Amino acid sequence: TQLLEQSPQFLSIQEGENLTVYCNSSSVFSSLQWYRQEPGEGPVLLVTVVTGGEVKKLKRLTFQFGDARKDSSLHITAAQPGDTGLYLCAGAFNSGGSNYKLTFGKGTLLTVNP
Amino acid sequence: DTGVSQNPRHKITKRGQNVTFRCDPISEHNRLYWYRQTLGQGPEFLTYFQNEAQLEKSRLLSDRFSAERPKGSFSTLEIQRTEQGDSAMYLCASSSWSPWSEKLFFGSGTQLSVL
Repeated sequence: TQLLEQSPQFLSIQEGENLTVYCNSSSVFSSLQWYRQEPGEGPVLLVTVVTGGEVKKLKRLTFQFGDARKDSSLHITAAQPGDTGLYLCAGAFNSGGSNYKLTFGKGTLLTVNP
Repeated sequence: DTGVSQNPRHKITKRGQNVTFRCDPISEHNRLYWYRQTLGQGPEFLTYFQNEAQLEKSRLLSDRFSAERPKGSFSTLEIQRTEQGDSAMYLCASSSWSPWSEKLFFGSGTQLSVL
């Protein structure tokens, strides 16, 4: 069974601060995705990373996939209250050439205080 | 298209009753997934369909759970003889598969409370 560990589990910061959250696994993923989920809603895909060492930027969010494709990080610059939410990483495994059955971590619950 | 639609949004039932949830995926998507999420946890995979074929079921899905996707369009998830441990958010997602990765689009979920 492939497991994803996310840290920290909870993070409360002030508006304008920077933060980094982490996603680690003992398994190699064919791809890794980051989602953001608000209370009472389904997760929304932010980014997909596929290549080891890959870095992707989405406005103030920077995503990095580890060289060995076993870990990833999400860095937010100058956090805003609108960034508040549950950040989930999810890994996909290459099974017969078809990626499916994403495995999710437990998430990092981020609160950005005004 | 307005995305993945799930109904009902909330369901309260008594232990032992049967419940059925519906998911309408994005129309051009051929894959449909069901996940379950409890408080403080990430979504857990339950089952998925490619078109009308159910290709995998998680061990989490006991024989009280059944999912269908007739004609490869909408899907239903039925739970028979509900138990308090079934209380959770049931999420549906759809995707259009590509060789490198999938982009899952989730619905808003059905929150089930079993009393």
